[in-house]
Amino acid sequence: DTGVSQDPRHKITKRGQNVTFRCDPISEHNRLYWYRQTLGQGPEFLTYFQNEAQLEKSRLLSDRFSAERPKGSFSTLEIQRTEQGDSAMYLCASSLAFASSYEQYFGPGTRLTVT
Amino acid sequence: KQEVTQIPAALSVPEGENLVLNCSFTDSAIYNLQWFRQDPGKGLTSLLLIQSSQREQTSGRLNASLDKSSGRSTLYIAASQPGDSATYLCGQSLEYGNKLVFGAGTILRVKS
Repeated sequence: DTGVSQDPRHKITKRGQNVTFRCDPISEHNRLYWYRQTLGQGPEFLTYFQNEAQLEKSRLLSDRFSAERPKGSFSTLEIQRTEQGDSAMYLCASSLAFASSYEQYFGPGTRLTVT
Repeated sequence: KQEVTQIPAALSVPEGENLVLNCSFTDSAIYNLQWFRQDPGKGLTSLLLIQSSQREQTSGRLNASLDKSSGRSTLYIAASQPGDSATYLCGQSLEYGNKLVFGAGTILRVKS
């Protein structure tokens, strides 16, 4: 069990560029979550999937953000036309649906800096 | 609106001291509550999960309790060590498998 992995770990981009992040969940986990965390705050929910179906999206997920999980395994989060306010740590988590606890396990995060 | 609050925001204690971190939530329709540890620049490590039907969970020197009627959870750390220094976060889920809503965390420093 290698845990949740995220790639890249760090991304520096210029304002207006597009970026894409990848998350690989724990292999048997069918729920996958994306959160965003800014300095000094707790993570804020963005969206989550069960298998390939996107079940909920936060109002934080503006039209510039899109998330996919095409085969129910890994997921990608794309931000188009990045803004300085998008600078944050983007965290991915996974859990096993229908387990009694739905404990969420987090990856190491991708830190985005928009210059 | 579902809100989670953690008090204190920061705490500094000498090594060996027992301590309590607090987590309050506004929505009592809780499914479960998870406590996490986060080291600087890293992801979250799950410490303990308490389901709504439980009152407490223990792991080693850590004990977490849940009081739904008062909307509170506490994380008790016994015999603190410098390696316990980190940010501790609590996250509340209202429905099975649903999102977690987090507090802002408590920054803990254990001095040797």
